[in-house]
Amino acid sequence: EPEVTQTPSHQVTQMGQEVILRCVPISNHLYFYWYRQILGQKVEFLVSFYNNEISEKSEIFDDQFSVERPDGSNFTLKIRSTKLEDSAMYFCASSEVQGGKTQYFGPGTRLLVL
Amino acid sequence: AQTVTQSQPEMSVQEAETVTLSCTYDTSENNYYLFWYKQPPSRQMILVIRQEAYKQQNATENRFSVNFQKAAKSFSLKISDSQLGDTAMYFCALRNAGNMLTFGGGTRLMVKP
Repeated sequence: EPEVTQTPSHQVTQMGQEVILRCVPISNHLYFYWYRQILGQKVEFLVSFYNNEISEKSEIFDDQFSVERPDGSNFTLKIRSTKLEDSAMYFCASSEVQGGKTQYFGPGTRLLVL
Repeated sequence: AQTVTQSQPEMSVQEAETVTLSCTYDTSENNYYLFWYKQPPSRQMILVIRQEAYKQQNATENRFSVNFQKAAKSFSLKISDSQLGDTAMYFCALRNAGNMLTFGGGTRLMVKP
């Protein structure tokens, strides 16, 4: 069964460093998403991406964040200058279409900013 | 803005028994979708069940079923014949016509042998 994959599974970085989190969505999916979950808190929406552009983003997704689909398979989340509060689990998800079709989540990347 | 509330931070159930997890939500939209996701200790988010708001019939998926009360904005999850592998965090989520999933705070379910 097709699934969303994410790399790395764990990432430790120093405050102020740039990190890139990678995701490979399910191959026939067209919509891609990033969510984050700070330890012990709710899962929060960051951004959705369709047709090579951002379709929706939350207040969390400020100028420090960017997303890209550099080729036909990868979908990346870049954090330019990490802060301590960026420590969280980051989930990538994908769906076939907008408006109700299920979003399938990857296993997550656990980011720790020191 | 839409909100999702799960009022039970933790619940426990004996193996083979039935348990119901509560979820209420608020949205101004008429067309939306509701989901239950399971997050085991590995922290992966796994879809359990989905309900379209325009459907009156409650969704069922094997041992999992929902009680969808649209007027009350309630969407509870019933797990029958609970198994040890059902131990996990359960998140209720709402999606309107846009892209964003809004999650509740989660309910930690422990299935006891």
